[in-house]
Amino acid sequence: DAGVIQSPRHEVTEMGQEVTLRCKPISGHNSLFWYRQTMMRGLELLIYFNNNVPIDDSGMPEDRFSAKMPNASFSTLKIQPSEPRDSAVYFCASSLRNLLPFFGQGTRLTVV
Amino acid sequence: AQSVAQPEDQVNVAEGNPLTVKCTYSVSGNPYLFWYVQYPNRGLQFLLKYITGDNLVKGSYGFEAEFNKSQTSFHLKKPSALVSDSALYFCAVRPSGGYNKLIFGAGTRLAVHP
Repeated sequence: DAGVIQSPRHEVTEMGQEVTLRCKPISGHNSLFWYRQTMMRGLELLIYFNNNVPIDDSGMPEDRFSAKMPNASFSTLKIQPSEPRDSAVYFCASSLRNLLPFFGQGTRLTVV
Repeated sequence: AQSVAQPEDQVNVAEGNPLTVKCTYSVSGNPYLFWYVQYPNRGLQFLLKYITGDNLVKGSYGFEAEFNKSQTSFHLKKPSALVSDSALYFCAVRPSGGYNKLIFGAGTRLAVHP
């Protein structure tokens, strides 16, 4: 298995632009997580999906952020409009039920 | 509030010496505890976990961790550090009874010097 696949690996965009981050979880996993990593706040859980349904989105910072999981093999995290303070590394992770989550390599987002 | 504390931003160790990276937690019930490692420009890699049973857990790359319930600690240890162990280490806890949500500590950067 190729593991959790995230794209793009790096994204540089201008303030105000829409950004879409993508994640392909490990095949067969039914839980998916989006995390954000910053120097100031460390690793924060943004949203959790179970069987493609958002269960906990309490970590989503504001309405500019949205996440979808249209099927079991794909999820997106969208920021619209983006702001410089959104610059961070965004990780996607997946797990099978309550077993160990596996992380992707992350997307480094820079908003200038 | 549920939380994980890693009191040291950075730990410096000479190669060949033992290392300890500290972690304490504050959650209700019997938590699951994890250590992950992050190498530069890489994702988080699982090192080891404690669910139940023996308080001393052995993991990847010669690392081990000791669960201490009375001190609510889960310190990561290795008897002899390698330069290649230099990385960012995260302690995480999954509160019991909840879904598979991990609460992470702030991370500790381990620097092993030749």
